[in-house]
Amino acid sequence: NAGVTQTPKFRILKIGQSMTLQCTQDMNHNYMYWYRQDPGMGLKLIYYSVGAGITDKGEVPNGYNVSRSTTEDFPLRLELAAPSQTSVYFCASSYFARNTGELFFGEGSRLTVL
Amino acid sequence: AQSVTQLDSHVSVSEGTPVLLRCNYSSSYSPSLFWYVQHPNKGLQLLLKYTSAATLVKGINGFEAEFKKSETSFHLTKPSAHMSDAAEYFCVVSVYNTDKLIFGTGTRLQVFP
Repeated sequence: NAGVTQTPKFRILKIGQSMTLQCTQDMNHNYMYWYRQDPGMGLKLIYYSVGAGITDKGEVPNGYNVSRSTTEDFPLRLELAAPSQTSVYFCASSYFARNTGELFFGEGSRLTVL
Repeated sequence: AQSVTQLDSHVSVSEGTPVLLRCNYSSSYSPSLFWYVQHPNKGLQLLLKYTSAATLVKGINGFEAEFKKSETSFHLTKPSAHMSDAAEYFCVVSVYNTDKLIFGTGTRLQVFP
């Protein structure tokens, strides 16, 4: 049972480049989330999805896009990368809504924008 | 508005001594509260959660937390630290009438032999 799998683990981007962070879960969870973690800060929600075909903005969505074509996959797209997007990104999933159930996290993707 | 404050950014203990990680919350109602742990280069993992049942909550790996409404606290404790407990710990509170969560800024626990 792999849980939540994120790729890549590390990436360096130049300003203005674009990329997609991949996230897959094999637990048949309806809820999926993208968070970013900056030093000394709590996790901030970027986007989330309550099921295939349904996505919504979190606290810090600017500069990002998501899609949810299947239950398993929830990719995060960075358009026109900026230094402010240097962060560690975590994908998570849950069976219940996040305020009641357990979130299962991937191991993170460390992104540096130079 | 709900908020959560982790009172210590770093805590250092010796192996075999008790662990106390402090968390205060602000809420006008009885919230759901969680503790997550993040080991180096890993994702977060749920340690325990409080959802208005018993005020003393037992979690994995010998951790427990007590919900104290009068003190608006939800401190995490463990009687005896192990080297494998070295990690970052996050206190998390739910937002009233939504499914949103607010993460604390984290407490890094160091365990010395």
